[in-house]
This record gives sequence, C-alpha cells and structure tokens, in this order.
Amino acid sequence: QKEVEQNSGPLSVPEGAIASLNCTYSDRVSQSFFWYRQYSGKSPELIMSIYSNGDKEDGRFTAQLNKASQYVSLLIRDSQPSDSATYLCAVSIQGAQKLVFGQGTRLTINP
Amino acid sequence: EPEVTQTPSHQVTQMGQEVILRCVPISNHLYFYWYRQILGQKVEFLVSFYNNEISEKSEIFDDQFSVERPDGSNFTLKIRSTKLEDSAMYFCASRPGLTEAFFGQGTRLTVV
Repeated sequence: QKEVEQNSGPLSVPEGAIASLNCTYSDRVSQSFFWYRQYSGKSPELIMSIYSNGDKEDGRFTAQLNKASQYVSLLIRDSQPSDSATYLCAVSIQGAQKLVFGQGTRLTINP
Repeated sequence: EPEVTQTPSHQVTQMGQEVILRCVPISNHLYFYWYRQILGQKVEFLVSFYNNEISEKSEIFDDQFSVERPDGSNFTLKIRSTKLEDSAMYFCASRPGLTEAFFGQGTRLTVV
C-alpha cells in the first residue's frame, strides 16, 4: 500500500467554483500534513499545514484533517485560472524527519 | 522573505562524471533535505541532514550519493558517477523545526 495516495486527476473545475482535493495516508502515527502547489517545471510551494483534526482556513484555502479516517483534504474556494497546477499532499510521520509525498493531483480551472 | 537557493539551475553532465549540486538553506533552519523528481513522477525523498549528520536516507541514496554542509551555510549533494537514470529535478529543502519545509527552485540534472 502506498504511504500517501492522491487521485492523479486531471480534475477540471469551472472558474469560481470550489475545487476539492483529497489525500489518504497509510501510517497511523502520521503527525503533520502539508499541501503544496507545483506549477509545471517549478518547485513545490507550501500552501497549508495542518496538525490536528478539523478545519484550518487561510484565505480561499481550507485544509481538513480526519486522523481516524486517515484522510486530509484541501478545498479551494472561488477557483481562479491561476490555481491550475499540481497539488501535492505531504505527510510527516512521528519519529521521522522526512516528508512523504503523494503523486499529486493535477487541477485545471476552466475560465 | 528568506528563501532556499540552489545552483546551478540546470546541469548537463556526461554519464560517469561527478556532479555537485549546491544549496543555501534558509538561515537558522535546522533540518535540511534533498529530494528528487523524475519527469512526470512524484517527489521522492533522498536524504535528511540534522545536527551535522545524515539523520535518514532512502534506498535511492546509495554509495554514489553523499551530502555535506562544509561551512555552516552551504549544503551540497554529490553524485560520484552519474547514470542516465539520475536525470531528474533535484530539490533542496529546509525546515526550522519539524514543521513546514521550504523548497528551493531546483536543479535540473541531465545526464547524457
């Protein structure tokens, strides 16, 4: 079983709508969860971090964490064409220093 | 705003040659990483470095790879004898603690 799983997409969302990105992880002692955005040919750019169950909001972005279900999601409200990118979920496991990445979900916002 | 810087942005090398990729992590960060991303694939962990030593490494990080922090600011990744399959984007990252990691812009390594 993969450590961090994401639907590779592509996910196509109309401009102004809500984009919902999902991620599941296999290790129950995972502690820290991160969403990165990666434009083609560029490096991962941090969007959100979340460490405890529930929702965390930052502008148009909301991260949701459910440790019992081993599930973390990212909602993007009022999607803009500039949000078109690959979104990477990363997980850090207790006692380890590395971040483990999912394969990413390619998101396209259609004007 | 402080950022992780990597040089060069693109390196072309012949198979069997040694390459050194350089990184300057964010000042006062404690944890340093190298990741790689083969075209079209996911970001893969190579090695983490903390307190002047390797703290964790992946199966990819074999004897051909080494890391150094020679002067308290630079953090380097050396590949001793490059193979075609080493062609990838190499990202350096740093963290102030076990929180968010910040990535450099990457070095595209092409082995011919």
